[in-house]
Amino acid sequence: GNSVTQMEGPVTLSEEAFLTINCTYTATGYPSLFWYVQYPGEGLQLLLKATKADDKGSNKGFEATYRKETTSFHLEKGSVQVSDSAVYFCALSDLFKAAGNKLTFGGGTRVLVKP
Amino acid sequence: KAGVTQTPRYLIKTRGQQVTLSCSPISGHRSVSWYQQTPGQGLQFLFEYFSETQRNKGNFPGRFSGRQFSNSRSEMNVSTLELGDSALYLCASSLEGESGTYSGPQETQYFGPGTRLLVL
Repeated sequence: GNSVTQMEGPVTLSEEAFLTINCTYTATGYPSLFWYVQYPGEGLQLLLKATKADDKGSNKGFEATYRKETTSFHLEKGSVQVSDSAVYFCALSDLFKAAGNKLTFGGGTRVLVKP
Repeated sequence: KAGVTQTPRYLIKTRGQQVTLSCSPISGHRSVSWYQQTPGQGLQFLFEYFSETQRNKGNFPGRFSGRQFSNSRSEMNVSTLELGDSALYLCASSLEGESGTYSGPQETQYFGPGTRLLVL
């Protein structure tokens, strides 16, 4: 079955530091890949997505590139802010929706940015 | 457009009781999925509804059930609550094609704020 593995946290950084959160996946075919972010006490917000190999998703300074050869979708941001403190989830969905919608999530990575 | 809304936001129940949670999808979205989030198990898929039919189901006991109405609003029900059912329950909606059987990449799922259930 499908699975997603992401680095365990917490990741503690200073403001303006570079952030990388590793994500690798196991799936049949080429699924769509997502990064969601969860702020304290809230639901999940879509951060970015990529639907095919070599696609780069980007939003709010965050980027991730769909790497088929390494089955990875690492999240990066060049200069984090305190407001980026949250839990980040990597997720994949099955290639075709004929089987219905279902996201498979990684365990989440808590990021804490200190001023 | 208004986002996905879930009610209630917080709920406290005792063991053995049952609970019903509600989800209103983004206008025009016809697919609604439910997920359970716990510190120990993370985010787990419960089920998905499209056009009032359950299209996909996760590995949860039969105490967990759901339904979808003609206006795409969905409810999930948990009967005979157990302590381990304490969790954040998240609903997500996505846009589907006219037939719902479009064979292409999955549409993005948009999540609501969740209902936090505490079972005592």
